[in-house]
Amino acid sequence: GAVVSQHPSRVICKSGTSVKIECRSLDFQATTMFWYRQFPKQSLMLMATSNEGSKATYEQGVEKDKFLINHASLTLSTLTVTSAHPEDSSFYICSASRGGVYEQYFGPGTRLTVT
Amino acid sequence: QKEVEQNSGPLSVPEGAIASLNCTYSDRVSQSFFWYRQYSGKSPELIMSIYSNGDKEDGRFTAQLNKASQYVSLLIRDSQPSDSATYLCAVTLSQTNAGNMLTFGGGTRLMVKP
Repeated sequence: GAVVSQHPSRVICKSGTSVKIECRSLDFQATTMFWYRQFPKQSLMLMATSNEGSKATYEQGVEKDKFLINHASLTLSTLTVTSAHPEDSSFYICSASRGGVYEQYFGPGTRLTVT
Repeated sequence: QKEVEQNSGPLSVPEGAIASLNCTYSDRVSQSFFWYRQYSGKSPELIMSIYSNGDKEDGRFTAQLNKASQYVSLLIRDSQPSDSATYLCAVTLSQTNAGNMLTFGGGTRLMVKP
């Protein structure tokens, strides 16, 4: 149990376009989902926390209008990178947590390259 | 002071040896502690969780928690080359809120040499 999927696993887009990344909990209901970003050889950086049906809570320095998060159901959250630029190229990873427990289960990640 | 601190390594151990990974945290309120393994280019994988003082064993892994000293460690017995990865220590503040945010250490890179 506790399987989280992400789609796509890898995406290349042109500067100025938008990219949507999906995160799904496959075998449990995720009351909370988290979005992280990881640059090469660096640690995970939390971008935002989202609870189903509520607005996401963004970490300091993360632009909420650029990184749109929707958590419309207990099994799906999406992250949309709007007007992507080369500096947004990174490894984006979601995680999910179910109610009553504190472990976070990570998706496989999405590698975004903006050209 | 960082909230969760780990030696970045690399920690190099020979195959078959015990690898000892350490983590200290700054907030005495911290209640839940996790160890994740992250292979290069992959996402983190949960390998251990521990909530109370003492040792918790799962196969070749033992997590040790000492809340008074504010440290948590991970021992890997009979280390294998496949254990070579970055190990991330993560801490949550409270057991009262489901899905609470994790604060990660910077990770320790472990290299197990054949």
